[in-house]
Amino acid sequence: GENVEQHPSTLSVQEGDSAVIKCTYSDSASNYFPWYKQELGKRPQLIIDIRSNVGEKKDQRIAVTLNKTAKHFSLHITETQPEDSAVYFCAASRVGSQGNLIFGKGTKLSVKP
Amino acid sequence: NAGVTQTPKFQVLKTGQSMTLQCAQDMNHNSMYWYRQDPGMGLRLIYYSASEGTTDKGEVPNGYNVSRLNKREFSLRLESAAPSQTSVYFCASSEYYGEQYFGPGTRLTVT
Repeated sequence: GENVEQHPSTLSVQEGDSAVIKCTYSDSASNYFPWYKQELGKRPQLIIDIRSNVGEKKDQRIAVTLNKTAKHFSLHITETQPEDSAVYFCAASRVGSQGNLIFGKGTKLSVKP
Repeated sequence: NAGVTQTPKFQVLKTGQSMTLQCAQDMNHNSMYWYRQDPGMGLRLIYYSASEGTTDKGEVPNGYNVSRLNKREFSLRLESAAPSQTSVYFCASSEYYGEQYFGPGTRLTVT
């Protein structure tokens, strides 16, 4: 069945370092790939997304890259800050489902001051 | 704008009891979703509604029913709660293939 795998499950970095989270998806027809950030006890919130006609997108310290041939996409956070500490989820659109998403299992990012 | 709202915030049920989780959005979105979130499992889709008057099963629909009451409201019903349904439930809404906006969640415990 359709699947999104996310790695690593936990990631610890020093403040100022970069963090990279990687996801692979199974359905080559998926065309929308969002990333959500969820702080402890809060709701998930979109931080960046990319569509299949674009290879890379950047928003300040956050960037996402997409490799459709390999069916993987990555989140890059540069100059990490303690407030970046959260759980990050990747997702891929489910084909033929009018906007449904398949989520990865999440990466808990800890940024140490 | 309130965005997506959910009630209740917390609920404790005994096995076999029933309850309805309420969700409403004021963004005029066509699509609405119910997810459950369990530790280490990410967000799993229970049911969704692509437009008013339609509902479809997601990944984990067993033990749940839904109603799309109108364009704003989408409710989730547990007819006979089981301990395996202990979870955090999120409602979300979106336009097609767009950002999904999540509600604050309902933390449900079934004893």
